[in-house]
Amino acid sequence: EAQVTQNPRYLITVTGKKLTVTCSQNMNHEYMSWYRQDPGLGLRQIYYSMNVEVTDKGDVPEGYKVSRKEKRNFPLILESPSPNQTSLYFCASRTDSNNSPLHFGNGTRLTVT
Amino acid sequence: QKEVEQNSGPLSVPEGAIASLNCTYSDRGSQSFFWYRQYSGKSPELIMFIYSNGDKEDGRFTAQLNKASQYVSLLIRDSQPSDSATYLCAVRRWYSGGGADGLTFGKGTHLIIQP
Repeated sequence: EAQVTQNPRYLITVTGKKLTVTCSQNMNHEYMSWYRQDPGLGLRQIYYSMNVEVTDKGDVPEGYKVSRKEKRNFPLILESPSPNQTSLYFCASRTDSNNSPLHFGNGTRLTVT
Repeated sequence: QKEVEQNSGPLSVPEGAIASLNCTYSDRGSQSFFWYRQYSGKSPELIMFIYSNGDKEDGRFTAQLNKASQYVSLLIRDSQPSDSATYLCAVRRWYSGGGADGLTFGKGTHLIIQP
């Protein structure tokens, strides 16, 4: 089954404790991205990657890191999480065609205390 | 600044009626338009996409695009309680040779189908 898989689904952590949210897709998509979704603010892009070893900042990159060493994986790293990073996070992927839609993972609900 | 505007709702529609969801966008260079449905706490799922002016139909759903008016809409015929969700409009500007995704989401319209 074609899908984008994120792990974990739920994560509660404390301020400053480094964490990684994994994302993997099995559709051989070139493009991958991370979004966060907050009430009243909608979906906001954190980082995106056009292909292996090519990453760039989205609209809200502060406090986040990403890497794209393999085509299928695009982990999101929070080196020192803070409470304002409490949010619902989505990984998404698509082909590099301009008309192609984004396919979303199931989401990771992160709480930073 | 690229903006995608949607009425946040809630939009309440009786079961069996037509639900009409609207979206306006500010970037005249936008070329691809997407509608996603999102249930509370779940991921957005694609309903339809459109990139030519006019109507595009898929089952109970019809997307309508008017680039001159910078307006895209989604009609849901024979609305069912299971259609109750938040509907997100997303708009993309194409970039040649790669570069930014150029996808901008609206904040969504909350639709309630009343049995």
